[in-house]
Amino acid sequence: RKEVEQDPGPFNVPEGATVAFNCTYSNSASQSFFWYRQDCRKEPKLLMSVYSSGNEDGRFTAQLNRASQYISLLIRDSKLSDSATYLCVVNMIQGGATNKLIFGTGTLLAVQP
Amino acid sequence: NAGVTQTPKFRILKIGQSMTLQCAQDMNHNYMYWYRQDPGMGLKLIYYSVGAGITDKGEVPNGYNVSRSTTEDFPLRLELAAPSQTSVYFCASSYQGGWDNSPLHFGNGTRLTVT
Repeated sequence: RKEVEQDPGPFNVPEGATVAFNCTYSNSASQSFFWYRQDCRKEPKLLMSVYSSGNEDGRFTAQLNRASQYISLLIRDSKLSDSATYLCVVNMIQGGATNKLIFGTGTLLAVQP
Repeated sequence: NAGVTQTPKFRILKIGQSMTLQCAQDMNHNYMYWYRQDPGMGLKLIYYSVGAGITDKGEVPNGYNVSRSTTEDFPLRLELAAPSQTSVYFCASSYQGGWDNSPLHFGNGTRLTVT
């Protein structure tokens, strides 16, 4: 099983739609979770951290399900400008206090006019 | 603050050549990372460092070397370039390395082609 897995998509949705992405992780000891957005040929940029109780930032909602080991990202009222690749990132605990941050393969979202 | 600075932005190498990708950060972050991203794929961790003098392998370390002699700098060395190393390389840093929800700060990337 891959350490971090995402549905690669693409997700093609009309403007105004609600779309949700999931990301599963293998290490039950993982503590930190993030969603990043990456535009074509650019560096990833932080979209939001994912907190245990779930968190919202405008049209974006992130949730964590520790029992099933997945995080989710919900985008409401999709805009054309939301078209991008969405990457989940999970910290993988590796002995002692060290940990490495592992990316999923990314989910491509295309919002259509 | 300049954040994370990577050089060069672009490079073409011949098979068997060597080069060093430079990465520097001015945020006093302990954790630094090197990722590579192949076309249409996610980012794969090559090496990471939790502080000066300490480095560790990531998911795809073969063919690469790193060093961390200072907090600010984390160069990535390719000794014998191969076509399979054609990729975009991203350097990133983090204050807590994922602990306490501290995120990654990325450089702009280095596009490397090996022919």
